[in-house]
Amino acid sequence: DGGITQSPKYLFRKEGQNVTLSCEQNLNHDAMYWYRQDPGQGLRLIYYSQIVNDFQKGDIAEGYSVSREKKESFPLTVTSAQKNPTAFYLCASGRTGGISEQFFGPGTRLTVL
Amino acid sequence: DQQVKQNSPSLSVQEGRISILNCDYTNSMFDYFLWYKKYPAEGPTFLISISSIKDKNEDGRFTVFLNKSAKHLSLHIVPSQPGDSAVYFCATRGGTSYGKLTFGQGTILTVHP
Repeated sequence: DGGITQSPKYLFRKEGQNVTLSCEQNLNHDAMYWYRQDPGQGLRLIYYSQIVNDFQKGDIAEGYSVSREKKESFPLTVTSAQKNPTAFYLCASGRTGGISEQFFGPGTRLTVL
Repeated sequence: DQQVKQNSPSLSVQEGRISILNCDYTNSMFDYFLWYKKYPAEGPTFLISISSIKDKNEDGRFTVFLNKSAKHLSLHIVPSQPGDSAVYFCATRGGTSYGKLTFGQGTILTVHP
């Protein structure tokens, strides 16, 4: 059945290490998104991609990087330059054009020790 | 600059009564509005949406109202059920970055049996 998978569910890293979060979708959606959720702040957009091999910065892109080599995959790297990396990270996908909602994965909880 | 605001961090309602969740936005270029429901440690799930050409959309127990002149969006849940207890996010699309969603901070709804 179709959906969005994120792995792992929980991730622990030492300060100063880069870490890559996985996001895969089999919904045949062109667009994919990464959000970060912090308590009381809702969802904030980190990066998004409307098509393979192209992506744009969202509202809080500093300290993050992404790639979009395949339509199904949109991995997010949290670099050591990100000052407050501990958060709940959500990946989403959606159709481009027209009116449609975004579908979210289950999320990855990253804790930097 | 918070373009989408949910001014009530929490709402408590008795089972069977109406729940009304509110959302205000500032950008008159937003053309599509959505509500998502989120349980802890899970990704948000899409509930209901409305386009800017309408002022009401119903889906079962859920109704979304849009007041464009007031730049105000509301979600009504009737009757409320304990399973509706979750965080509710409003989101808007449009403005300068088509395809992006801008989320409010969320409102925690608790429905008491």
